[in-house]
Amino acid sequence: DVKVTQSSRYLVKRTGEKVFLECVQDMDHENMFWYRQDPGLGLRLIYFSYDVKMKEKGDIPEGYSVSREKKERFSLILESASTNQTSMYLCASTYASTGINEKLFFGSGTQLSVL
Amino acid sequence: AQTVTQSQPEMSVQEAETVTLSCTYDTSENNYYLFWYKQPPSRQMILVIRQEAYKQQNATENRFSVNFQKAAKSFSLKISDSQLGDTAMYFCASLIYNTDKLIFGTGTRLQVFP
Repeated sequence: DVKVTQSSRYLVKRTGEKVFLECVQDMDHENMFWYRQDPGLGLRLIYFSYDVKMKEKGDIPEGYSVSREKKERFSLILESASTNQTSMYLCASTYASTGINEKLFFGSGTQLSVL
Repeated sequence: AQTVTQSQPEMSVQEAETVTLSCTYDTSENNYYLFWYKQPPSRQMILVIRQEAYKQQNATENRFSVNFQKAAKSFSLKISDSQLGDTAMYFCASLIYNTDKLIFGTGTRLQVFP
């Protein structure tokens, strides 16, 4: 079975801290994604990556950056955490687009609280 | 722009009954996919069912089926014989062919009562 592992299930940080959320997948997927999930807003795409060292902005990239130094690992970085970044963060991965067999595999999420 | 709308924030159904969750979407593309994902309290997102837009036949997976109305841009999920384990958030999502950006709706929280 594909595994997408997020390093922390719960995280509490202080305003202004630099925060790293880590995601690792074990299926050699090319594409990896970071979503943010908020009540009443659904999942919103922050950043995604098609390959090592490649990144693309999603719909809400402000206040975030990402790093993909290795194919299996995709990190989300909050340079200076703010209270409005308190949210659930979901990582996902998939093979490069085939147009036929799309399936996104998700991690179990990191609930981040910024105090 | 690609949008997905779920107008029912919460739904409830009694065990063994049938419930339908609504979803509408908007896209100017002809080739796309539609999905329903389930997120139980464990937070693990699970793919429930998918539909290719070029297929007229509605997708079915056991107790789950969709009513895909392409002209109306509607993609509802029907859960038959509801079970307590169906209690979860359900997200509708769309994906344009040959892209990798999955766009989600705001979700419907479904509660199944005994």
